[in-house]
Amino acid sequence: GAVVSQHPSRVICKSGTSVKIECRSLDFQATTMFWYRQFPKQSLMLMATSNEGSKATYEQGVEKDKFLINHASLTLSTLTVTSAHPEDSSFYICSARDPGAGHQPQHFGDGTRLSIL
Amino acid sequence: AQSVTQLGSHVSVSEGALVLLRCNYSSSVPPYLFWYVQYPNQGLQLLLKYTSAATLVKGINGFEAEFKKSETSFHLTKPSAHMSDAAEYFCAVAYSGNTGKLIFGQGTTLQVKP
Repeated sequence: GAVVSQHPSRVICKSGTSVKIECRSLDFQATTMFWYRQFPKQSLMLMATSNEGSKATYEQGVEKDKFLINHASLTLSTLTVTSAHPEDSSFYICSARDPGAGHQPQHFGDGTRLSIL
Repeated sequence: AQSVTQLGSHVSVSEGALVLLRCNYSSSVPPYLFWYVQYPNQGLQLLLKYTSAATLVKGINGFEAEFKKSETSFHLTKPSAHMSDAAEYFCAVAYSGNTGKLIFGQGTTLQVKP
């Protein structure tokens, strides 16, 4: 079945560092990918919709300059947390849809645990 | 506004007992409905989906869900719980005509007691 790969799985870094997370669709081309943030014991919060070849669509309250999204190819979207601070520590999850498979559900990566010291 | 409500943030059952996780949605148009499972420090795995075909949907690991339009519900069930079913479960809804954007419920933690 379709697979989405997310890397790295865990990041620990100092405050002020920028962190890049990659999301790849391994066996299909994804024109649209999604980035979520999940706090402990809570649901997934959609941060933005990543569109191949165009600007991402951010949800209300999400800082565009803080969370940079690049979707330069049909199989890769990246999320960069710029100048990360402890409050940015969270579990980040990406997902992608196979547009050629009808209204099929999103396939999720395994997530990235970001810890800012 | 479109929303998904999962009744009960925490459900505890004994091994072998029936599992029932509740999900209700608000919608004025037919939605697409999904149940996902999440194990600790992992992403989400699709259990099953409703896409306007049969109202009773069978998924993986013995789970099934029934779409009831009159009740705007999509409850998840499993006849006999296994210890390995302990996880976080999310109900989600998508609407036709959009990019596939999902709206998630708050999640339900399933605990299975031996």
